[in-house]
Amino acid sequence: AQSVTQPDIHITVSEGASLELRCNYSYGATPYLFWYVQSPGQGLQLLLKYFSGDTLVQGIKGFEAEFKRSQSSFNLRKPSVHWSDAAEYFCAVISNDYKLSFGAGTTVTVRA
Amino acid sequence: DAGVTQSPTHLIKTRGQQVTLRCSPKSGHDTVSWYQQALGQGPQFIFQYYEEEERQRGNFPDRFSGHQFPNYSSELNVNALLLGDSALYLCASRSSRLAGHEQFFGPGTRLTVL
Repeated sequence: AQSVTQPDIHITVSEGASLELRCNYSYGATPYLFWYVQSPGQGLQLLLKYFSGDTLVQGIKGFEAEFKRSQSSFNLRKPSVHWSDAAEYFCAVISNDYKLSFGAGTTVTVRA
Repeated sequence: DAGVTQSPTHLIKTRGQQVTLRCSPKSGHDTVSWYQQALGQGPQFIFQYYEEEERQRGNFPDRFSGHQFPNYSSELNVNALLLGDSALYLCASRSSRLAGHEQFFGPGTRLTVL
């Protein structure tokens, strides 16, 4: 069965600094991977997705992620964080039957 | 173009009661999935509906049931509520006709069981 691990429960970063969120997946076949963001009290918004092709994918809000099959990772990055990026971030993998499996999430706090 | 909508926004119930949550998918979408997100955790897949039938089910008891209507909207029913059912319930929709696996999420229904 597929699964996702997000090793970092909470990350604090200064505004303007770079951000990297880690994600490791377990899936037998070629994974379809996603990063979602959730602001307090809100639903999930898709930041970016990887299906195939270029292993560096660009998303919304200046985020990017790199798929590394050898490391079973799909880490999310942003070069310069804004205060509005404070939120919870979820990595997810989808199975052939379209069932999403999410990690436990990483909470990002942005300090001024 | 309206996205995925859910109602109600918030709900408070007591143990043993029954609850029904509703979801309208994004326009053009025909497949609806439900997820439970407990506080501090990632969403957990409950089940998925397509063509008015439950197609996939996660590790949830039979107290959790659902329905999909001809207009593709869906309901999630939970019977005999437990305190542990308190969570944010998210609905997601997708189109079976599109190759992509992207699912669009609604804002969720916050259920509190007292």
